[in-house]
Amino acid sequence: RKEVEQDPGPFNVPEGATVAFNCTYSNSASQSFFWYRQDCRKEPKLLMSVYSSGNEDGRFTAQLNRASQYISLLIRDSKLSDSATYLCVVDSRTDKLIFGTGTRLQVFP
Amino acid sequence: DTGVSQDPRHKITKRGQNVTFRCDPISEHNRLYWYRQTLGQGPEFLTYFQNEAQLEKSRLLSNRFSAERPKGSFSTLEIQRTEQGDSAMYLCASSLAQVTEAFFGQGTRLTVV
Repeated sequence: RKEVEQDPGPFNVPEGATVAFNCTYSNSASQSFFWYRQDCRKEPKLLMSVYSSGNEDGRFTAQLNRASQYISLLIRDSKLSDSATYLCVVDSRTDKLIFGTGTRLQVFP
Repeated sequence: DTGVSQDPRHKITKRGQNVTFRCDPISEHNRLYWYRQTLGQGPEFLTYFQNEAQLEKSRLLSNRFSAERPKGSFSTLEIQRTEQGDSAMYLCASSLAQVTEAFFGQGTRLTVV
């Protein structure tokens, strides 16, 4: 089983839609969780950290479910500029950061 | 610019040649990661350092790959006897401490012909 798994998509949604991505992880002892955004041919950039109680940053909401070992990212009121690949990141048993394969989002007019 | 910088940005090399990439992390960051990324995949872990100590190297990494961080500041990644399968984007990232968020450089795109 991969340490971090994501649905690769693509998710094609119209502007204004709400879209949600899930990510599962295998290490029950993981403590750090992040969502990164990666634009085509660019480096990944931190979108938001994921806290145990869930957290929100504008149109973006991240949640953690430790019992089921998954994290989620919800994007409300999608914009064309949200089109990108969203990477789930979790710390491993040996304290390194492991990336999922990414979920591609395409927002269309 | 106080971000992570990588050099070169692009490298084209012939199969069998050796290549070396450099990464300069954010100055106060003591953790440094190397990842490799190919099209349609997420960044794949290669190795990481805590200060000058190399803490882990991916089992997927052949012995043609070696990385150093001699003074706990910049790091180099060397690939010996390059193969076409080594063609990828090589990304460096640094973080302030273990398992805090990491910040990436713009990467070195390697093409082996």
